[in-house]
Amino acid sequence: EADIYQTPRYLVIGTGKKITLECSQTMGHDKMYWYQQDPGMELHLIHYSYGVNSTEKGDLSSESTVSRIRTEHFPLTLESARPSHTSQYLCASSPPTSRQNTGELFFGEGSRLTVL
Amino acid sequence: SQQGEEDPQALSIQEGENATMNCSYKTSINNLQWYRQNSGRGLVHLILIRSNEREKHSGRLRVTLDTSKKSSSLLITASRAADTASYFCATNAGGTSYGKLTFGQGTILTVHP
Repeated sequence: EADIYQTPRYLVIGTGKKITLECSQTMGHDKMYWYQQDPGMELHLIHYSYGVNSTEKGDLSSESTVSRIRTEHFPLTLESARPSHTSQYLCASSPPTSRQNTGELFFGEGSRLTVL
Repeated sequence: SQQGEEDPQALSIQEGENATMNCSYKTSINNLQWYRQNSGRGLVHLILIRSNEREKHSGRLRVTLDTSKKSSSLLITASRAADTASYFCATNAGGTSYGKLTFGQGTILTVHP
């Protein structure tokens, strides 16, 4: 079992609300990622971070924002949620690259967001 | 455009049979990985194959990679009902940082007891 935790697992909110999805890992990994996954579909990278104070946008444009103030914590925020944001959000981390570690990801259980 | 595309989209077999899933990709890669996802859960890493490797085994899993055809296959031997899940291939494109992965659409595997 990977030591990466996401809360909440499920969230149902109304349009216009601000939400924060939490992601924490206890493995000391420097790299962290947020992927978005619609039901039965592939994952799309929306944000990533290579360390504290480092954040980059991923391949899929997203209205969400992220921060990385501590190594273990990588929260995702939506300032004003809309029904189009309804999806599953998966957080992942990976250890420093070496001969043994070449980029496999450790995933949390996901946060399923429904915006009414 | 989709980097990793999987085939078939869904596969239904009996316990004890082998399951083969295929993945195709478009650009050069550093490595290709396979992940498993149980319904409503996160993904679990299964196996990684580097671009200079052709075949890799892990327990009941066998992965092949053909970089000339830009394709990979995952074979699960002697399948069990507990293998029922979605399986995704993911590529780490050449020239990108390790850890940035592009995922395919996945194959839904159902193993009947």
